[in-house]
Formats: sequence, C-alpha cells, structure tokens
Amino acid sequence: EDQVTQSPEALRLQEGESSSLNCSYTVSGLRGLFWYRQDPGKGPEFLFTLYSAGEEKEKERLKATLTKKESFLHITAPKPEDSATYLCAVQAGRNYGGATNKLIFGTGTLLAVQP
Amino acid sequence: DAGVTQSPTHLIKTRGQQVTLRCSPKSGHDTVSWYQQALGQGPQFIFQYYEEEERQRGNFPDRFSGHQFPNYSSELNVNALLLGDSALYLCASSFLGSWVANEQFFGPGTRLTVL
Repeated sequence: EDQVTQSPEALRLQEGESSSLNCSYTVSGLRGLFWYRQDPGKGPEFLFTLYSAGEEKEKERLKATLTKKESFLHITAPKPEDSATYLCAVQAGRNYGGATNKLIFGTGTLLAVQP
Repeated sequence: DAGVTQSPTHLIKTRGQQVTLRCSPKSGHDTVSWYQQALGQGPQFIFQYYEEEERQRGNFPDRFSGHQFPNYSSELNVNALLLGDSALYLCASSFLGSWVANEQFFGPGTRLTVL
C-alpha cells in the first residue's frame, strides 16, 4: 500500500536555527513527490515537485531533496514567517483513464519559528 | 490570474442534512480533485473529475458525490451528513496533458461543521 510518513510531527526552532524535515515514502512507481506549505485554516500552497532520486530544488530559505526512499526539506536560517505546517505528498503509478493520479499525503510537520 | 476559488468559506449544518460545495479551477486547468482534511491530518483524496466524468475515487461512501461542468468548475455534494464529516474540504485543480506528475494547486477550502 502506498504510504507517506513525515517526521517530526512538530518542530520548534529559534530564528536563524537551520534544520530539516523528513518525508519517507513507500510507493509503487513514483511519478512525483510534492511539498506544500499550509497555514492554519488555509489551503496548501505548492512549493516543489521532485521527480527522480538525486534531484534538488530551492526557493528562498527552502531546499528540497529526493532519494529513492525519502525526501528532505531543509530550512536555512528560518524566520518567524516560515512558521506553518509542511505537507509532503506523492503521486504514484501511471496516469490512467484520462486522469491525473491522486496525491497521497503525510500528516505534516508543524514548524514554529520563534524570534 | 485568479487561482482556485471555493465557496462558501464556512458552512454549518446539522446531522442528516445535505450540503453542496463549489470550486472553480485555476485558469487553463481542466481537472478537479476534491480532498477532505480532518484537524491535524493530511488531506485525504475523495474523487477526481475530468471531462465531466468521475475518473478516480478514494475510500469514501456513496454519500459523497460530485459533478463537473463544461467550464471545468465542480461541485461536491454530501448527503445524510454525519458528525464525522466535519472537516476542511479542499479543491485542487491541475492540467492533464503531460506524462510527468501533474502539480495540483489548492483552493482556500470550505470549513464544514456538522452539529
């Protein structure tokens, strides 16, 4: 069964204290791994798509990496405005029936950055 | 460019009632997916519509149904509401037309409370 596990569940950092969030996945044929940011009561905001092991993408203080079993979201010198829940999702298998495959989400990491 | 829009923002219903939620996809997108997100959990896939047909369905009962219109907008209907249906309902749009993983962009969500 396709599965996504995120750790830690919650992380508290001081402003400027770099860290990493983990996303482990078990999937039959990875088509893509996605990172989203979600603020309380809002919809997830798209951050990155990673397609194959070894791929890396960066955006401001965030850098996402991918291996065959897990992905990391590295946060460098975080600021209080980076506080949010970070969600990881995978898209598995091949498109069929004219449909884009569903996203399978983890439960997220709640990040709090204190000034 | 307007992103994904959803209405209403909030909704309060009582057990046994029926509810309809609405979604307009991002400009240029032709596929709409619906997700349910309980508090503290990741979004769970309900179903996906493409070319006005349901193409994929998650593990949700028949009380959950939907529709897609010729302009690609979509509705989610839930009948015989249960307390456990209280959640944030998210609509995500994407463009089918690429062999690679399709990025899905989310709307702000509709918060449904069932009393």
